[in-house]
Amino acid sequence: TQLLEQSPQFLSIQEGENLTVYCNSSSVFSSLQWYRQEPGEGPVLLVTVVTGGEVKKLKRLTFQFGDARKDSSLHITAAQPGDTGLYLCAGNRDDKIIFGKGTRLHILP
Amino acid sequence: KAGVTQTPRYLIKTRGQQVTLSCSPISGHRSVSWYQQTPGQGLQFLFEYFSETQRNKGNFPGRFSGRQFSNSRSEMNVSTLELGDSALYLCASRGGPLGSYNEQFFGPGTRLTVL
Repeated sequence: TQLLEQSPQFLSIQEGENLTVYCNSSSVFSSLQWYRQEPGEGPVLLVTVVTGGEVKKLKRLTFQFGDARKDSSLHITAAQPGDTGLYLCAGNRDDKIIFGKGTRLHILP
Repeated sequence: KAGVTQTPRYLIKTRGQQVTLSCSPISGHRSVSWYQQTPGQGLQFLFEYFSETQRNKGNFPGRFSGRQFSNSRSEMNVSTLELGDSALYLCASRGGPLGSYNEQFFGPGTRLTVL
């Protein structure tokens, strides 16, 4: 059973466009993290959200945690080729971290 | 401060063999977690060690085992390798055990190919 569903699985857009990717679950998480992973490397933590409804911004990236702490979204404004990568969300529950399968994002120059 | 290091970076084995992977956490970090990443299943949690004790374990068969040394370095062993064990094995370190609110840092991974 995949507890965290990420959508879309793949996304290819032009440089300068905006995009949103989603991380959904029927389970409640105490906190949720977003990572970006580039080929040949391990995931790098982008942000952790803890409070329901919380919004965090990291330059052109906006992260939101759902009010019920079951889902999250990542919005990228004016995407750049450097944003290309695999975006993973991970929920913390019962002393375990559960990862989604990721959204593979490709930004075309 | 040096990041998480994993050795070797690449490994090719044949079915039935065993393999040992190594992970050195960030200096001062006492928690090490291991993950298996495959295109089909994504990132799956194997186990976590904190202060030389296994604190959490994922749903993997007993062929997958690990240990942590007093200097927090950790090793993961897979015995009787199967084709399906081909994956990227990632190690992550953090200052406290899972469940505590602190950042997890990943190493670059070991790419294991089983022929």
